Amino acid sequence: GNSVTQMEGPVTLSEEAFLTINCTYTATGYPSLFWYVQYPGEGLQLLLKATKADDKGSNKGFEATYRKETTSFHLEKGSVQVSDSAVYFCALSRTDKLIFGTGTRLQVFP
Amino acid sequence: EAGVTQSPTHLIKTRGQQATLRCSPISGHTSVYWYQQALGLGLQFLLWYDEGEERNRGNFPPRFSGRQFPNYSSELNVNALELEDSALYLCASSDQGPLSYEQYFGPGTRLTVT
Repeated sequence: GNSVTQMEGPVTLSEEAFLTINCTYTATGYPSLFWYVQYPGEGLQLLLKATKADDKGSNKGFEATYRKETTSFHLEKGSVQVSDSAVYFCALSRTDKLIFGTGTRLQVFP
Repeated sequence: EAGVTQSPTHLIKTRGQQATLRCSPISGHTSVYWYQQALGLGLQFLLWYDEGEERNRGNFPPRFSGRQFPNYSSELNVNALELEDSALYLCASSDQGPLSYEQYFGPGTRLTVT
């Protein structure tokens, strides 16, 4: 079946630290992969996406590369800010729905 | 361009009542998706509507139902509410075009069942 596994949180970092949130997936075929972010009290916002192997999605300093050989889509940022504190969801697409990981809470302290 | 809107923002019901949640998609989007985000359970797919038809549903009982109107807005109905239905309900829309599979989410409706 299709599934997404994310590293458990919370991830706690100091401002300007390097961030990695791991995401691996199981899927039939070649799904598109996404990272969504949910700020406190809000809905989900699309952060970045990749639609085929070796694609790199990027936005707001965040990056993730679609690795078919390791079935991974890890999220990275070189220097986090306090404003990046949120819950991050990795997801894969099927025609009829998105399948989400359980989410990883990121807390960034000054 | 206006995003996905949902109403109401908060809804408080008692067990056994019915709840109705509403969603307006981004202009030009024909597909609407509903997800449940219950505490500790992540996001679970509920329903998918496209062009007025229910195309797929997740692993939820029949008391979760909905519809899509000719203007592509959608309604989610939850009958015979149970305490465990308390959750954030998120609606998303997509255009099912060349960039299909990319869904845009609304802010959600927080349903509390007491």
